[in-house]
Amino acid sequence: DAKTTQPNSMESNEEEPVHLPCNHSTISGTDYIHWYRQLPSQGPEYVIHGLTSNVNNRMASLAIAEDRKSSTLILHRATLRDAAVYYCILRDGNSGNTPLVFGKGTRLSVIA
Amino acid sequence: DTGVSQDPRHKITKRGQNVTFRCDPISEHNRLYWYRQTLGQGPEFLTYFQNEAQLEKSRLLSDRFSAERPKGSFSTLEIQRTEQGDSAMYLCASSLGALNFYGYTFGSGTRLTVV
Repeated sequence: DAKTTQPNSMESNEEEPVHLPCNHSTISGTDYIHWYRQLPSQGPEYVIHGLTSNVNNRMASLAIAEDRKSSTLILHRATLRDAAVYYCILRDGNSGNTPLVFGKGTRLSVIA
Repeated sequence: DTGVSQDPRHKITKRGQNVTFRCDPISEHNRLYWYRQTLGQGPEFLTYFQNEAQLEKSRLLSDRFSAERPKGSFSTLEIQRTEQGDSAMYLCASSLGALNFYGYTFGSGTRLTVV
């Protein structure tokens, strides 16, 4: 799977929007972009995924650049419960047998 | 369904002892994954099953590690002759299938400390 690059850490104020960037310049045409997050003392949880178009769900929005070499996870109003490590992962849509490969992710701190 | 369950949540063992962890996936999920996570790192893939068949094993899974999923339901991960380097969080996840629209559901993990 192609590699992703994320900042090690970010900080946000409570109730403000958060934009978490992810660079994936070597993404292939069949790679899906997945985001998971891991709250303290928990296993990772699925957040959102997409291929080309922007995606919205109840947790977040995913904005994908037109050239697909970068994407941004958007939390519209950060709460203290959003403090977690956020992982951006690429997964080849043609290879269902490839398990998710996690990097170090971005540690998001939310300040009250 | 209460999600993916892992037991025990914490395990402290002496070096050289054997330990076994259990994972109960979401009942209709046919895929089950084991990951290991050390402090400050993302989860590292160990192995996965489709139903009862073990389809892939990582190089991280030394011969001291063995995983089973009898009858395609719960799974066990056994570590023989534990070493201090085995201290980590062991995470289990399940998914309904292999395709991209099937997200993984993770358990809360088993934290192993080898003293």
